[in-house]
Amino acid sequence: AQSVAQPEDQVNVAEGNPLTVKCTYSVSGNPYLFWYVQYPNRGLQFLLKYITGDNLVKGSYGFEAEFNKSQTSFHLKKPSALVSDSALYFCAVRALSGAGSYQLTFGKGTKLSVIP
Amino acid sequence: EAQVTQNPRYLITVTGKKLTVTCSQNMNHEYMSWYRQDPGLGLRQIYYSMNVEVTDKGDVPEGYKVSRKEKRNFPLILESPSPNQTSLYFCASSNGGSRAGELFFGEGSRLTVL
Repeated sequence: AQSVAQPEDQVNVAEGNPLTVKCTYSVSGNPYLFWYVQYPNRGLQFLLKYITGDNLVKGSYGFEAEFNKSQTSFHLKKPSALVSDSALYFCAVRALSGAGSYQLTFGKGTKLSVIP
Repeated sequence: EAQVTQNPRYLITVTGKKLTVTCSQNMNHEYMSWYRQDPGLGLRQIYYSMNVEVTDKGDVPEGYKVSRKEKRNFPLILESPSPNQTSLYFCASSNGGSRAGELFFGEGSRLTVL
């Protein structure tokens, strides 16, 4: 079975500082990896994804994520945090093929608070 | 505007009273899915559908039913709701192929079962 771990329930960062939200995954075969963001009282919004190719993926709102196959990680990063980045962030994985390839499994989420 | 629409957005009901949460998408997506979101548990998949008349169980299907008679609609049915089904529910859809997994989410339906 595939799974996602987000080890931090909450991350606090000062505005202007770099931020990292951690994610590790487990899946059979090669993974599709995703990050979604949820603002209060809203549905989730797609931020970025990794399928193949360059290990550094760029997405919306200045976010990027680094895929590390040996560490089975897909950490979300941003060079300079904004107060408006405060939200709940979810990492998700699905298998590239085979069983589970139609199921997107989410982590438990990490609440990011950017302090002015 | 491309969107996934869920109704109702908020509902308070009592144990055992059947209810349906509707979901409709206007993007001609093949794949649709239902998730529930609970504090500390993240999003858990209830059911998903790869196309019309094709549905399958997710991780937490007990107590729920779905149907996919039309491509745009994917209702979630609670035949006999119980308090442990109090949750925030999200419907989502996506295309197949390389874009699969780029889910478009509805705004959520907050259900309380008394």
